[in-house]
Amino acid sequence: GAGVSQSPSNKVTEKGKDVELRCDPISGHTALYWYRQSLGQGLEFLIYFQGNSAPDKSGLPSDRFSAERTGGSVSTLTIQRTQQEDSAVYLCASSLAAGLNTEAFFGQGTRLTVV
Amino acid sequence: EDQVTQSPEALRLQEGESSSLNCSYTVSGLRGLFWYRQDPGKGPEFLFTLYSAGEEKEKERLKATLTKKESFLHITAPKPEDSATYLCAVQATDSWGKLQFGAGTQVVVTP
Repeated sequence: GAGVSQSPSNKVTEKGKDVELRCDPISGHTALYWYRQSLGQGLEFLIYFQGNSAPDKSGLPSDRFSAERTGGSVSTLTIQRTQQEDSAVYLCASSLAAGLNTEAFFGQGTRLTVV
Repeated sequence: EDQVTQSPEALRLQEGESSSLNCSYTVSGLRGLFWYRQDPGKGPEFLFTLYSAGEEKEKERLKATLTKKESFLHITAPKPEDSATYLCAVQATDSWGKLQFGAGTQVVVTP
């Protein structure tokens, strides 16, 4: 597709369950980012990947959160043992490269609700 | 620690009533300042990148300016379709991938 694709668009899960969120970046983009947006809050950085370099995980809020990027393309954000405070919209973005002031294009997000 | 503060939190305008949004930032060294527009239920849409004080960029009814401490997004003669939340973000020179976002300004333009 032409843009960043995220799936699912909505996810409702029970507290304590694990969830996986998927991001398909724009073809040719080497940088991929995950952000979290809670109700009424700004975007909170979680993690970014740049090519084959080690990812910057400095924004992950706890060890229940992890992400991987396979083959330099698709990325999966995994949240283990979900808690109610994990409820938010999870946004993925990609850009041609990180650190070169290229604009990041965002997907439509996955709205996660933990009940 | 890098900080971005946007004001006002919300702005209600009549169609044609020009106004400005403010983004104040504190960053160790600025690599770039970004403006995004976000519609309900959608991801942010890129508008502008500004790199150095004095720089200005325009797109239709929007104009972004940058000083050493803040950026302004001017909306000239807004239309109802300009209603959205406008987000400001900074990228620091010591941060290759992280954007620090403000909480946004929600703009409503009424006919």
